[in-house]
Amino acid sequence: TQLLEQSPQFLSIQEGENLTVYCNSSSVFSSLQWYRQEPGEGPVLLVTVVTGGEVKKLKRLTFQFGDARKDSSLHITAAQPGDTGLYLCAGAQSSYKLIFGSGTRLLVRP
Amino acid sequence: DSGVTQTPKHLITATGQRVTLRCSPRSGDLSVYWYQQSLDQGLQFLIQYYNGEERAKGNILERFSAQQFPDLHSELNLSSLELGDSALYFCASSVTSGADTEAFFGQGTRLTVV
Repeated sequence: TQLLEQSPQFLSIQEGENLTVYCNSSSVFSSLQWYRQEPGEGPVLLVTVVTGGEVKKLKRLTFQFGDARKDSSLHITAAQPGDTGLYLCAGAQSSYKLIFGSGTRLLVRP
Repeated sequence: DSGVTQTPKHLITATGQRVTLRCSPRSGDLSVYWYQQSLDQGLQFLIQYYNGEERAKGNILERFSAQQFPDLHSELNLSSLELGDSALYFCASSVTSGADTEAFFGQGTRLTVV
């Protein structure tokens, strides 16, 4: 059973377009992390959100943690080919376990 | 470069065999995590060690075992291998043991069971 559902699973867009990736769960998480993974590499942490309703910005990327701490979104403005990759959300289920979502594969076409 | 080193990068072995995957954490990190990533199931948490002790267990099969040594490197042992064990195995490390802390991932070991 996947505790964290990500949508969409695949996304192919043109350079310059905006997009939003969603991460949803019926469980409450103490924090939520977003990672990006490129082929042949391990996931790299982008951001950690901790407080319900929190919004964090990282250049063209905006991350939001839901008020109830059950969901999160990642919005990318003016996507670039360098944004291509697998985006993973991960929720802290207990003090030690980090549960990953199934991922969203993003392709940004030049 | 995350600072986490995993060896080997690739491994091809036959069903029924046993393999050992090795992970050296970042300097100063006490916590080591193991994850399995397959195409249809995403990243699955297997097990975590902190300063030599097992701290959390996920969906780790009984055929799999792990340990963390005094020098903090870790090994994941996979035995009686089956075709379905073919996957990418990632090791990650962090300074503390909490899931809220930033974890740094290695490049993974790609295991192919034939």
